Amino acid sequence: ETGVTQTPRHLVMGMTNKKSLKCEQHLGHNAMYWYKQSAKKPLELMFVYSLEERVENNSVPSRFSPECPNSSHLFLHLHTLQPEDSALYLCASSQDTSGRGELFFGEGSRLTVL
Amino acid sequence: DAKTTQPTSMDCAEGRAANLPCNHSTISGNEYVYWYRQIHSQGPQYIIHGLKNNETNEMASLIITEDRKSSTLILPHATLRDTAVYYCIVRVAGYNQGGKLIFGQGTELSVKP
Repeated sequence: ETGVTQTPRHLVMGMTNKKSLKCEQHLGHNAMYWYKQSAKKPLELMFVYSLEERVENNSVPSRFSPECPNSSHLFLHLHTLQPEDSALYLCASSQDTSGRGELFFGEGSRLTVL
Repeated sequence: DAKTTQPTSMDCAEGRAANLPCNHSTISGNEYVYWYRQIHSQGPQYIIHGLKNNETNEMASLIITEDRKSSTLILPHATLRDTAVYYCIVRVAGYNQGGKLIFGQGTELSVKP
């Protein structure tokens, strides 16, 4: 238990569906991150939020839409995805974006796009 | 962030020390060395980090060479539960640096009975 909770753990969706992934952290952190991990590939950073403000968007397609309503919650809204978007989506948090503290990861949401 | 080079895979006998090397020859003075591991299909887990000095915690030891161009993660008594992919990451510290971790391919460690 890392203090970062992701739901759902597994999601299957069609290409025309709209769904959302949720991440909640109970650590009092101010920075949150979305990573994508495709099969046999390293983790890829998608988005970074600091104090609810997006500070990095790593050239992610617009069919992925993040939302950070407060420093404890982070969402990833999904729409018109492609089969190649099937992956493990990992959320993480850290005290801030100074790079001086570790990131705590959730267990991930396994997404399958049919 | 500096690039790291790690062996693709390693084996270790249960109960023996696992020594995982990492090269980071282009590391800058303000970059820390971090180690994470990822057990199959779970989220990465923080292990240890350091800047210049060797570090030890309840999980592992981190040995950084004097020139900081390489490091070794040591799991003193490997168990079957230590089977995982181990990532060595160099990360800039400082405000407005983003705080992000950039992952490479890592080393797949297999601990065998």
